[in-house]
Amino acid sequence: DQQVKQNSPSLSVQEGRISILNCDYTNSMFDYFLWYKKYPAEGPTFLISISSIKDKNEDGRFTVFLNKSAKHLSLHIVPSQPGDSAVYFCAASRGGGGSQGNLIFGKGTKLSVKP
Amino acid sequence: SQTIHQWPATLVQPVGSPLSLECTVEGTSNPNLYWYRQAAGRGLQLLFYSVGIGQISSEVPQNLSASRPQDRQFILSSKKLLLSDSGFYLCASAGGFVRELFFGEGSRLTVL
Repeated sequence: DQQVKQNSPSLSVQEGRISILNCDYTNSMFDYFLWYKKYPAEGPTFLISISSIKDKNEDGRFTVFLNKSAKHLSLHIVPSQPGDSAVYFCAASRGGGGSQGNLIFGKGTKLSVKP
Repeated sequence: SQTIHQWPATLVQPVGSPLSLECTVEGTSNPNLYWYRQAAGRGLQLLFYSVGIGQISSEVPQNLSASRPQDRQFILSSKKLLLSDSGFYLCASAGGFVRELFFGEGSRLTVL
């Protein structure tokens, strides 16, 4: 059972335009959401996060939106740059100790930004 | 911030051979440590996590095992590799009140 879903395996965007990456989750107990960026043959790097008490968090060109009623979050990149081309993973976790706090990852979306 | 070191970076092993991937963490103490695998066409799958020395929890039954002999050392092992063990293995660390994971550079394992 996939608790975090990224239904688009790939996305292609023109440089300068907006990139929108989507993520859906099923577990209503998740209270913290993160986006990671991964280049080939490298480990993922943390990009931006959002707590469930917020509906928006912005960091430079990156904004994450959370719609709790729809169990949906999205990552907006504006303007998109060729260096943004990578695989983006959505992740979620719930509070609590033990395995409850572990991050659950989606399968990733490969973003290609064309010059 | 934390730094995660993983080695070897690349490994090609025959089926049935043993495996040992090592991970060490700097910049934190008593972290939660994790082993993830990214197989072709799949996301990041959690294999093991550890909340302390000698404490290992397995998320997926398989022929792999993990050990944590020291606070900031995490080892992934196998006695006999299978073809299906091929993939990109990532060690990760989380510490304190941070709910983010810091990942190492990964180890690419190819089983032939």
